[in-house]
Amino acid sequence: DTGVSQNPRHKITKRGQNVTFRCDPISEHNRLYWYRQTLGQGPEFLTYFQNEAQLEKSRLLSDRFSAERPKGSFSTLEIQRTEQGDSAMYLCASNRQASTDTQYFGPGTRLTVL
Amino acid sequence: AQKITQTQPGMFVQEKEAVTLDCTYDTSDPSYGLFWYKQPSSGEMIFLIYQGSYDQQNATEGRYSLNFQKARKSANLVISASQLGDSAMYFCAMREGFAGGTSYGKLTFGQGTILTVHP
Repeated sequence: DTGVSQNPRHKITKRGQNVTFRCDPISEHNRLYWYRQTLGQGPEFLTYFQNEAQLEKSRLLSDRFSAERPKGSFSTLEIQRTEQGDSAMYLCASNRQASTDTQYFGPGTRLTVL
Repeated sequence: AQKITQTQPGMFVQEKEAVTLDCTYDTSDPSYGLFWYKQPSSGEMIFLIYQGSYDQQNATEGRYSLNFQKARKSANLVISASQLGDSAMYFCAMREGFAGGTSYGKLTFGQGTILTVHP
């Protein structure tokens, strides 16, 4: 299997701009997760898709954040009107419904908001 | 209360020696899973090992083993024969919450432990 891929790997933007990140999961994985990781912390859950359905959203996911997985394959995470506090690593993970549910992570997108 | 606690911000070990990274967890769910991930400076989270709450045996994967003590709610990672390439951040994570046989799936991570392997 090819692994989870994320694009772009790095994004620098100015406060107030919109940004969109893409995640391509491992091909047969029906579950996809987004996490955010700030410096020196562990990743924090943002949202989760099973196929195209968004089944859970963290309260961390403010109204400025939206995620989609329209065809149940790749997913996008959009942040509108970015703030400096949005600067973080955005990690995507995928798995398939199985007993261990091991999530495999992509390389992440590092966002810097100036 | 913290669901996952990693009390060691940093650990040092000599090459070829064994090291234990501590992890305690808190859950009231009878069915849960515990995971360890490695995060090198490149940023990617690399899966190392998994332990299910009903597993009778401690999990092992090559040089990695998980010392699972259910009554103490601890799931320590043991790395044997440390290598220079083991230097990285290590995260303990928990998946909890089965409902009707379907896992909610999300992981809760600890704060991490930075491991440095000295030659």
